[in-house]
Amino acid sequence: EDQVTQSPEALRLQEGESSSLNCSYTVSGLRGLFWYRQDPGKGPEFLFTLYSAGEEKEKERLKATLTKKESFLHITAPKPEDSATYLCAVQGSGGSNYKLTFGKGTLLTVNP
Amino acid sequence: DTGVSQDPRHKITKRGQNVTFRCDPISEHNRLYWYRQTLGQGPEFLTYFQNEAQLEKSRLLSDRFSAERPKGSFSTLEIQRTEQGDSAMYLCASSSSSADYGYTFGSGTRLTVV
Repeated sequence: EDQVTQSPEALRLQEGESSSLNCSYTVSGLRGLFWYRQDPGKGPEFLFTLYSAGEEKEKERLKATLTKKESFLHITAPKPEDSATYLCAVQGSGGSNYKLTFGKGTLLTVNP
Repeated sequence: DTGVSQDPRHKITKRGQNVTFRCDPISEHNRLYWYRQTLGQGPEFLTYFQNEAQLEKSRLLSDRFSAERPKGSFSTLEIQRTEQGDSAMYLCASSSSSADYGYTFGSGTRLTVV
């Protein structure tokens, strides 16, 4: 069974203070690792898909990286508007190769 | 296209009542998914449609839950004889065959069973 563990559960940063969120996973054949952002009361918003170890993707202040066991979401010089819950999910190549298995998320708060 | 639409946004119902939610996916997406999310948890997979065919149902989906996608367009999720444990956010998502853009989620329907 695919599993995703995210850490920390919550992270509080000052504006401009860079940091990283961790996503550890076990999956039977990785088809893709996904990062989503979720604001309160809303559905997850797609950020990145990573497919293989060593891959990196960037979007504004966010950079996602992938190894064989974990992924990191690096946040550079965050702003208060980056405050949200960040979700990591994996898609495996097992029997149900279309569904996503999510972690519990990291609640990020950026103080001005 | 305005993305994935879900209706209603909020639903409060008494225990034992039946409720139905609707999802309108992105028109060119042939795949549709239902997920459930409770407070402090990530979304959990419930069921998956490819066009009008329901290809998988999670063990989480008891016999009180049924989903349909007539003609491969919009989808409905019905919960019969609701229980307090059914209180959650019900999320619909759609995708095309390419995973490059991930799944597009709707804003969800928040169900409260009192």
